[in-house]
Amino acid sequence: DAKTTQPTSMDCAEGRAANLPCNHSTISGNEYVYWYRQIHSQGPQYIIHGLKNNETNEMASLIITEDRKSSTLILPHATLRDTAVYYCIVSFFTGGFKTIFGAGTRLFVKA
Amino acid sequence: EAEVAQSPRYKITEKSQAVAFWCDPISGHATLYWYRQILGQGPELLVQFQDESVVDDSQLPKDRFSAERLKGVDSTLKIQPAELGDSAMYLCASSSIGTEDNEQFFGPGTRLTVL
Repeated sequence: DAKTTQPTSMDCAEGRAANLPCNHSTISGNEYVYWYRQIHSQGPQYIIHGLKNNETNEMASLIITEDRKSSTLILPHATLRDTAVYYCIVSFFTGGFKTIFGAGTRLFVKA
Repeated sequence: EAEVAQSPRYKITEKSQAVAFWCDPISGHATLYWYRQILGQGPELLVQFQDESVVDDSQLPKDRFSAERLKGVDSTLKIQPAELGDSAMYLCASSSIGTEDNEQFFGPGTRLTVL
């Protein structure tokens, strides 16, 4: 399974875009990139996932480089409620998904 | 909106005692996961079920931990005997079967403290 590398922590000003990077240089062709976040004392929450193309939903955008070795999660207008730990995961299906969480990036959104 | 239910939310026990956690996944979700999360770390997968069958329990300490999902719906995770190092958050998640979409829905977790 491919491993991911994320910065330990990041700060972002409220109302600005938060760009969270993730390196997954050993990703295989059939592995998807998933992002989850975990607000203090709650279970993780799914944000978005992608394979090759950039993806956007109501929560965030996911930008995957052409070689797929890295990706960036973008929260377009961060709010204080976006303060959380963000996990980047690569996962593939072989009758069931293998999901390995790292330590994630702790994002602090400041007023 | 459907949610994953877990109980109890908090459990305090003494070492060498037995504890059990219960999880009720979202209706229709065939895949159920149990994770352990130590403070400051990401969740670690303990066991994964597909319906009533275990598909991955490679990280489950089988000398003291057991998990079952007898009818392929709700699930129980047991620790016997509990040790001080088992203090952690135990998270349950579920997902539907799919070849791409592995969105996992997590419950609120059970916080275990072993004294």
